[in-house]
Amino acid sequence: DGGITQSPKYLFRKEGQNVTLSCEQNLNHDAMYWYRQDPGQGLRLIYYSQIVNDFQKGDIAEGYSVSREKKESFPLTVTSAQKNPTAFYLCASMGAAGGRGTEAFFGQGTRLTVV
Amino acid sequence: GNSVTQMEGPVTLSEEAFLTINCTYTATGYPSLFWYVQYPGEGLQLLLKATKADDKGSNKGFEATYRKETTSFHLEKGSVQVSDSAVYFCAPSRQAGTALIFGKGTTLSVSS
Repeated sequence: DGGITQSPKYLFRKEGQNVTLSCEQNLNHDAMYWYRQDPGQGLRLIYYSQIVNDFQKGDIAEGYSVSREKKESFPLTVTSAQKNPTAFYLCASMGAAGGRGTEAFFGQGTRLTVV
Repeated sequence: GNSVTQMEGPVTLSEEAFLTINCTYTATGYPSLFWYVQYPGEGLQLLLKATKADDKGSNKGFEATYRKETTSFHLEKGSVQVSDSAVYFCAPSRQAGTALIFGKGTTLSVSS
């Protein structure tokens, strides 16, 4: 079955360490997105990518980095520069071919906790 | 760019009550409009959508009508169930690859 997979589901990080969250999709979607979700704040866009080897900053990119070397993969690195990284992270993808009405598909999320 | 304003939650209802969650948007161009639902500990999933003015999206008893003149896409359900307890997000969207923005989400809690 086609879908979008995030791993791991739970992740613990020590302060000062970088950590990478995985996002893989087999939907053949061009666009991929990373969001951060905090209680009462909704979804805030971190980075997004329209095609391979290209990505744009969202509203809260500081302290994060991404790469898009393959169409299927869009990993997110939370760096030590991110001052408050504890949050729920969601990855999404969207196909361009569907035109108007194309929906976004989401992974199950990764809950990152700094210890 | 796009922006979305959703009514503040949480919304607390008894089973079989009527639900309305307001959503208004600002957008350049002519977006499609979506409602997504998020159950505890999970990602978002599409609930319903509408792609042009006066279209009504519907699914699982939920409905929303694309009102271009008022730039609104309010979510309604005539009789909520405990299983509808979740967070609901409104989102306008133009095309894949542009920034996809969501409202802050409205938490619905239904008690029996």
